Amino acid sequence: DTGVSQDPRHKITKRGQNVTFRCDPISEHNRLYWYRQTLGQGPEFLTYFQNEAQLEKSRLLSDRFSAERPKGSFSTLEIQRTEQGDSAMYLCASSSDSLEAFFGQGTRLTVV
Amino acid sequence: GESVGLHLPTLSVQEGDNSIINCAYSNSASDYFIWYKQESGKGPQFIIDIRSNMDKRQGQRVTVLLNKTVKHLSLQIAATQPGDSAVYFCADQGGKLIFGQGTELSVKP
Repeated sequence: DTGVSQDPRHKITKRGQNVTFRCDPISEHNRLYWYRQTLGQGPEFLTYFQNEAQLEKSRLLSDRFSAERPKGSFSTLEIQRTEQGDSAMYLCASSSDSLEAFFGQGTRLTVV
Repeated sequence: GESVGLHLPTLSVQEGDNSIINCAYSNSASDYFIWYKQESGKGPQFIIDIRSNMDKRQGQRVTVLLNKTVKHLSLQIAATQPGDSAVYFCADQGGKLIFGQGTELSVKP
């Protein structure tokens, strides 16, 4: 399978715990995006990378969120001290420059 | 900042009819748009795209129209099928890919 892969598909965590999600983009894609989506809403932009450089981070993103793409390939999104409001679907996508982006199946986070 | 919005949150059509989903954008400098389909529990799936040097682009059963004067685009689905039931998003691919809120399409058999 050469599509975008996200791991895990589901995560249940207790409030206050840290969680980390992984995204493996399509191999030749240099751009990688992270989004958050809640029920009934469109994907909300969080951040994106061009190779290993983080080009933009949403102002909506608190300091508890951090993303990395150390070698310009896979990326991780970490949420520290999770809150119930962090419960959502976290989507990753990749593209070749500013061309069409392809999405993974997402990681569904539930904070209890 | 830039924003993308759809006109109707829900659309219900009869199987076999044509569907039209509308979207408006605010940034007059936007030059590349993408339509996505999202089924329940899955990530958005690319349907069709259009650049600002075009007014119309056709795919298999889908057509996208772009009106730069009024900053509006639409997705037309011909002969809508039950498998077309999903949420449809337009997105502005200006580098960071901004999505609208989506229109949920329901197809009645």
